[in-house]
Amino acid sequence: KNQVEQSPQSLIILEGKNCTLQCNYTVSPFSNLRWYKQDTGRGPVSLTIMTFSENTKSNGRYTATLDADTKQSSLHITASQLSDSASYICVVSGDTGRRALTFGSGTRLQVQP
Amino acid sequence: KAGVTQTPRYLIKTRGQQVTLSCSPISGHRSVSWYQQTPGQGLQFLFEYFSETQRNKGNFPGRFSGRQFSNSRSEMNVSTLELGDSALYLCASSWGGDAQGTDTQYFGPGTRLTVL
Repeated sequence: KNQVEQSPQSLIILEGKNCTLQCNYTVSPFSNLRWYKQDTGRGPVSLTIMTFSENTKSNGRYTATLDADTKQSSLHITASQLSDSASYICVVSGDTGRRALTFGSGTRLQVQP
Repeated sequence: KAGVTQTPRYLIKTRGQQVTLSCSPISGHRSVSWYQQTPGQGLQFLFEYFSETQRNKGNFPGRFSGRQFSNSRSEMNVSTLELGDSALYLCASSWGGDAQGTDTQYFGPGTRLTVL
């Protein structure tokens, strides 16, 4: 069964600190992996997308890594800001379009002043 | 450029009723996907429409249906509502030319449906 597991479930850090969120998946075959940021009460916003051949992708202070061999991905947030407080969702896509999407349950990040 | 809009934003219904949700995609986008988000199950894919045709479908019962109009606007219908249908329903649009779904999706704010 295709699964995406994210850890930790929740995380509290101080403003200015760095943090790393983890995503492990068992989806096969694999097409791509995305990280989304979802603010409370709003729809998700795409941060990065990586295909099999990519192992790093950056978007400002967000850097995602992918190890397709171990089926692991991480999202590193540098110099956190209060606006980073949100849920971060890892989504893995198989090779048959959107019906093959498997979603992680997300990591709830809270950045405190 | 206007983003994805969804109406209504909030909806309260009772069991057994039916509901129709609307989604207007970003101008020029031809693909509209619908998702259900609940605290227990997280995000789940419902279906995708492209050029008025359903292109992909998730594992939801037939009570959940949708359609897309020639202007790419989409509607989602849920018949015979159950308590478990209470959720945030999100729609996302993309240009849609990639059938594999690797193009970036832009999400709307969602419709919060409560079934009593």
